[in-house]
Amino acid sequence: KAGVTQTPRYLIKTRGQQVTLSCSPISGHRSVSWYQQTPGQGLQFLFEYFSETQRNKGNFPGRFSGRQFSNSRSEMNVSTLELGDSALYLCASSLQGASEQYFGPGTRLTVT
Amino acid sequence: AQTVTQSQPEMSVQEAETVTLSCTYDTSESDYYLFWYKQPPSRQMILVIRQEAYKQQNATENRFSVNFQKAAKSFSLKISDSQLGDAAMYFCAYSGNYGGATNKLIFGTGTLLAVQP
Repeated sequence: KAGVTQTPRYLIKTRGQQVTLSCSPISGHRSVSWYQQTPGQGLQFLFEYFSETQRNKGNFPGRFSGRQFSNSRSEMNVSTLELGDSALYLCASSLQGASEQYFGPGTRLTVT
Repeated sequence: AQTVTQSQPEMSVQEAETVTLSCTYDTSESDYYLFWYKQPPSRQMILVIRQEAYKQQNATENRFSVNFQKAAKSFSLKISDSQLGDAAMYFCAYSGNYGGATNKLIFGTGTLLAVQP
C-alpha cells in the first residue's frame, strides 16, 4: 500500500506570494492533519480534516488555510508569505477512529 | 493544555548497546495515547511505538520498548541492541482519546540520538 505523498517536495517563494501544498493520504484514510516544523518552534499542529470538514485547528493566523476533497486528498494554502513561514510542512493521515498517524515526506518551503 | 517535555536534547550510544530516551507529559485527561516517532535525516517521520493510557502493560516493538508510568506522567523509550540505522531525532507525542473526533498530536522538542560504531 502506498504511503502518504506530498507535493511538491521543495518550494522557494518570495515574501508576499501565496503557496499551495498538496497531500495524498494512504488509501482508505479519511483523516488528514498538517503540521509545521521549524527549528525555533518545533512541530506544531496546523489543522485536521475529515470527510472534507475541518474538525480541529491549531493556533495559526488566518493566512493558513486548508481544504479536503472527496477523495480525501488535502491541500493547504498560505497567503501573503512571510519569512517566518519557512518550514518543513508535514502531512499525516489516519484511519477513522485510529490513533496512529502516518506521515508523508514533507514539503520544504523556503521564503526569501 | 497538554504539554510534552523531552529534557535530553542529545544522546549518544555505542552500537549494540542500550539507550533510554526520556519524556514527561502533563495532562488533565484520563484517556489518551502516547507515541514515539523517529525522524531520520531524510525528515520522514516514522511511528516507532504507541501506548494506550488505559493499558498498564508497556508496549514493545522488537528492539523498542517503553516504560509508561501513568501516575508520574512519564513515558520513556528504550532501544536495545542499538544499530547505526537508529540514529535520528526522536519525538515523544501525545494525543487525547476523543473517540476518533480528532487526532491532534502534541510533540516534544525531540532528542537527537547518535549511534557510535
